[in-house]
Amino acid sequence: DVKVTQSSRYLVKRTGEKVFLECVQDMDHENMFWYRQDPGLGLRLIYFSYDVKMKEKGDIPEGYSVSREKKERFSLILESASTNQTSMYLCASSLTGAGTEAFFGQGTRLTVV
Amino acid sequence: QKEVEQDPGPLSVPEGAIVSLNCTYSNSAFQYFMWYRQYSRKGPELLMYTYSSGNKEDGRFTAQVDKSSKYISLFIRDSQPSDSATYLCAMGRGATNKLIFGTGTLLAVQP
Repeated sequence: DVKVTQSSRYLVKRTGEKVFLECVQDMDHENMFWYRQDPGLGLRLIYFSYDVKMKEKGDIPEGYSVSREKKERFSLILESASTNQTSMYLCASSLTGAGTEAFFGQGTRLTVV
Repeated sequence: QKEVEQDPGPLSVPEGAIVSLNCTYSNSAFQYFMWYRQYSRKGPELLMYTYSSGNKEDGRFTAQVDKSSKYISLFIRDSQPSDSATYLCAMGRGATNKLIFGTGTLLAVQP
């Protein structure tokens, strides 16, 4: 059974904290993605990675960075958390190639207070 | 203007009804079109995938793409309470597989 695992289901952090969201996939996929999901806005791509140590900005990268040191692990970093980063964060992975299926994790509900 | 527009609903139908979900898009470069289903407190899962204009059927589900009108649809026949979920359209181009998602339509099928 394919699996994308996000380290936390729920997180509460304080404004200004550095926050790490971890994602691990066991499918040997080249591509990994971080999205945030907000009511009325749908899923928006923050960053994606198509190989180890490779990354590209998505549509809303401001305030975020990422790290991919190993193929199976993709981390999203909030350098200084702010209240407008309160959201559902979803990690996904896929094989390289047009239209390959993206497999999603369960999501991390982050609240910044 | 958003690249992908989707009516957020909510949409409530009785069990057994035919459901029609739709998305419009503005970027004619999109090559592949997907529908994801997301149950409450879960991540999205791929439901249907089409690469070109036309219809694709899988059981009770039919995906339709009209590239000339930049319009895609998902039809659910004989809807069941277990179909209650948020349905997200998604589309992309090229090999990087970066998808652009609609906002999602929340569907409730009443028993």
